[in-house]
Amino acid sequence: DQQVKQNSPSLSVQEGRISILNCDYTNSMFDYFLWYKKYPAEGPTFLISISSIKDKNEDGRFTVFLNKSAKHLSLHIVPSQPGDSAVYFCAASAIGTYKYIFGTGTRLKVLA
Amino acid sequence: DTGVSQNPRHKITKRGQNVTFRCDPISEHNRLYWYRQTLGQGPEFLTYFQNEAQLEKSRLLSDRFSAERPKGSFSTLEIQRTEQGDSAMYLCASSVTTGYDEQYFGPGTRLTVT
Repeated sequence: DQQVKQNSPSLSVQEGRISILNCDYTNSMFDYFLWYKKYPAEGPTFLISISSIKDKNEDGRFTVFLNKSAKHLSLHIVPSQPGDSAVYFCAASAIGTYKYIFGTGTRLKVLA
Repeated sequence: DTGVSQNPRHKITKRGQNVTFRCDPISEHNRLYWYRQTLGQGPEFLTYFQNEAQLEKSRLLSDRFSAERPKGSFSTLEIQRTEQGDSAMYLCASSVTTGYDEQYFGPGTRLTVT
């Protein structure tokens, strides 16, 4: 049972345009959500997070939006840069636990 | 301290052998986590420690797997009688104990069981 789903395995975007990565979840007990970026041969790197009391969080070029009623979150990268090319994982944590449940990832390719 | 370190980075072993991996977390972090990642999947939670106490274990962690964090600093993950299905990337992460906290991952140990 995949509690966190990333339905797009890959995404290609032109440099300078917006990248939008999507994530859906099924467990209503999730209250903390994160995005990680992963380059080959490296561990995941924390990018940005959002708690369930918010619907938006920004950090520079990265913005995460949370729609609790739809159980959906998205990561916006503006403007996209070639160095953003990586696999992006959505993760969620439930109230009272500290483990993360990860999605299967979306491979982003930013074309120069 | 520049981050979470894991050793070895790669391990090739024959089926039935035992293997042990080590994780050194960021020094001020008192939570430590182990995850496993297979091809095309996201990391899957295995277990986590707060200081030296192992507080949660996934059902993925069969009795062939054991993890320790004896002094609340580094941790080891041992797999006994390895099987080909154990081939994966084993990731360690650490975090501080403050409410919502981000986990910082090491580079992982890639295990190949032949």
